[in-house]
Amino acid sequence: QQQVKQSPQSLIVQKGGISIINCAYENTAFDYFPWYQQFPGKGPALLIAIRPDVSEKKEGRFTISFNKSAKQFSLHIMDSQPGDSATYFCAARRDYKLSFGAGTTVTVRA
Amino acid sequence: DVKVTQSSRYLVKRTGEKVFLECVQDMDHENMFWYRQDPGLGLRLIYFSYDVKMKEKGDIPEGYSVSREKKERFSLILESASTNQTSMYLCASRLTLLDGELFFGEGSRLTVL
Repeated sequence: QQQVKQSPQSLIVQKGGISIINCAYENTAFDYFPWYQQFPGKGPALLIAIRPDVSEKKEGRFTISFNKSAKQFSLHIMDSQPGDSATYFCAARRDYKLSFGAGTTVTVRA
Repeated sequence: DVKVTQSSRYLVKRTGEKVFLECVQDMDHENMFWYRQDPGLGLRLIYFSYDVKMKEKGDIPEGYSVSREKKERFSLILESASTNQTSMYLCASRLTLLDGELFFGEGSRLTVL
């Protein structure tokens, strides 16, 4: 049973557009929420992360929005580029262990 | 740069064989992990080791065991491989329990016939 529910499963966006990926969780004991990016043939790599006492975090074109009361968080990719085409995983940490969402494959069309 | 190396990128085994997947990290990290990646299911934690010879079950430990005799090396063992263990296996390491970032290897794709 997935502890972190991620949607959509895949999305296609035009170059310059905004990609939005959503995640939801139930366990309020989660204390850290990272996003990982995975390119084909590679392992996932940390992209950006947020703690639950912060509502938004921005790093370049990537922004996490966090809604503690709704138990939801999302990744926004602004000005999407073809090089952003990858699979994105949200995750949540409890007791030093990470639980991952199912992943979203993002395709950016030039 | 942190490097997590999984020695076998692709393996093909037969049902009932014993399978060893090896993982080595070169950054003196305390914690190491084995995840399984399947389409539509994301990454699921099999086992976690927070120190040498210490291990903890993850969400899907059935059919797997692990060994961590040295700090830099974490092995995943399938005692008797089955077809439902065909998957991508990812090893990861983390500096300490208090750190957030996991560093992943490139994965070992196992096919069990």
